[in-house]
Order: sequence, then C-alpha cells, then structure tokens
Amino acid sequence: GENVEQHPSTLSVQEGDSAVIKCTYSDSASNYFPWYKQELGKGPQLIIDIRSNVGEKKDQRIAVTLNKTAKHFSLHITETQPEDSAVYFCAATYNFNKFYFGSGTKLNVKP
Amino acid sequence: DSGVTQTPKHLITATGQRVTLRCSPRSGDLSVYWYQQSLDQGLQFLIQYYNGEERAKGNILERFSAQQFPDLHSELNLSSLELGDSALYFCASSVEISGTDTQYFGPGTRLTVL
Repeated sequence: GENVEQHPSTLSVQEGDSAVIKCTYSDSASNYFPWYKQELGKGPQLIIDIRSNVGEKKDQRIAVTLNKTAKHFSLHITETQPEDSAVYFCAATYNFNKFYFGSGTKLNVKP
Repeated sequence: DSGVTQTPKHLITATGQRVTLRCSPRSGDLSVYWYQQSLDQGLQFLIQYYNGEERAKGNILERFSAQQFPDLHSELNLSSLELGDSALYFCASSVEISGTDTQYFGPGTRLTVL
C-alpha cells in the first residue's frame, strides 16, 4: 500500500517568516494530495490540495508544489502569522478511496 | 463548522465493552470515511462507505465494524475494547462529484478505554 512520510515533525518560525513542510509518497498511482490543518480539539480542515496533473497551486499565502517524478510534494506558507500555529498533515490517495496521511508537523509561529 | 456532526463527543468505557460512534455527514454528501487518530499512529484510515455500500477498507480491526444507513448517517462499532483502542475517532464526508472530492472532517469522538 501507499506510504506517506512527512518532515519535519516540528517547525518553529518567527512571525512573518516562511514555513515549508515536505512529504514523500511511495505509490506512483496516487493522484490527489490534500493538506490539512488541525487545531487543538478540532478535526482536520482542508487548506489546499493538488492533483497529479498540476505542478503547483497557490491560494493567498499558501502554496503546494508536486514533483511526480521524485514523488514528493510540499506545503509553503509565506508571511506566517500566530494563527497559523497548528498541526499540518499531508495525505495521498488514488481516486479518493483510501487516504494515507503523513505523521503531521507541529508548526509554531512565534510572535 | 464543517457541517459533519459526530456523537458522542467523549466516551469513557472499560476493556471488553462495546461502543457505537455515530456520524452525520454534510447535507448532500454520499461518502463517509472513518479515521482513528492516536498519539503514536497519527491519522489512520479505517473504512469508507459510499451511498450505503462499503467502498474501501484500510487498517480496520476485525473487532471494528461500520455501516452507512439509508439516510446516509454512519455508525462505527467497536467491540471487545482494549486499552490501545483509546484514540480520537473522526469521520469525514464528501460529495464525490466528478473531479472534486474534498473531505470535510467532523469534530471527532474521544474514546477512553480504562
């Protein structure tokens, strides 16, 4: 089955700096890669996603890049704010059946 | 608020017992996914239902079972509970329109097995 690895497990940045979280996947058939933000006591919330036919996608301060050849995808958050502090998960799936999640990155944005 | 509801919010029970977790998907969503989130295992996909039928199975133990009812709500049944089953259980729903299938997660049920 699919195996998704996520790094780093914790990330601390100063407010205004950029943050990058990286994930690798093993199954070349995976074709959909969402990123979720999970705040304390809440369920994961989709923040951005990318499909295998696209190399990059941006939504305001958040962007995701996908390298199909290397089988890795990354989340980029620019101009970080304290409210960006949360746990971020990447995931991979083939045709929206089983979703495989990374182990999570705890992002701390220091004011 | 994602529109997905889960009950109960918290559940405390003893080893060997059986519990049922309930999930109501967003209005119009046909797919329901169940996940287990524990400290050492992260988010683990358990099972997916689509319009009442089982669609995909993940790392779901034989002691666990699920179903999706005609009104599209879903229940996850956990039996012969063990200490290691203590975790957060999330359900997510999606509509599965061709080309898009965003999952919306519920707030979760925290299960504590004593």
